[in-house]
Amino acid sequence: RKEVEQDPGPFNVPEGATVAFNCTYSNSASQSFFWYRQDCRKEPKLLMSVYSSGNEDGRFTAQLNRASQYISLLIRDSKLSDSATYLCVVMTGTGGFKTIFGAGTRLFVKA
Amino acid sequence: EAQVTQNPRYLITVTGKKLTVTCSQNMNHEYMSWYRQDPGLGLRQIYYSMNVEVTDKGDVPEGYKVSRKEKRNFPLILESPSPNQTSLYFCASSLDLNSPLHFGNGTRLTVT
Repeated sequence: RKEVEQDPGPFNVPEGATVAFNCTYSNSASQSFFWYRQDCRKEPKLLMSVYSSGNEDGRFTAQLNRASQYISLLIRDSKLSDSATYLCVVMTGTGGFKTIFGAGTRLFVKA
Repeated sequence: EAQVTQNPRYLITVTGKKLTVTCSQNMNHEYMSWYRQDPGLGLRQIYYSMNVEVTDKGDVPEGYKVSRKEKRNFPLILESPSPNQTSLYFCASSLDLNSPLHFGNGTRLTVT
């Protein structure tokens, strides 16, 4: 089992749709969680940090469920410019300072 | 401007010819790390450093070396590159374990 698992997609949605991504992690000692966006083999860019209390930034909402060991990302009112690969990232301080990336979920938003 | 700077952006080399990819950050971050990204495998951690003179292996350290003599710099060294090290490499830094990573622009390496 991979340490961080994501549905690779692709997700094909029309403009204006709501789309949700989930990511599960296996290390219960994981400490911090993030969603990144990556465009066409460019560097990943931070989208949101993820907290147990949930956090929202405009059309984006992220949630962490520690009991079930998953994080989620909700995108409302999808735009063409949201087309990208979304990476969940889990950081743990157990046995070092490890960073584990999910394989990424590809999103295509169409007009 | 706060940034992580990697050089070069593109590099084509031959098997066995030593090379260094530089990484520098201007944010006074404690933590720096190197990753490689390959199709179907995602981003994988090569080495990381939690502070000056403190480095440790990630998931795929074989064939790579690093050093952290100064806080701002974290070069990646390939002593004897091989074709299976052809990949897209990213350097990143963060303030601490609870802070997000800031990535460099990437280095596309081809080893023939």
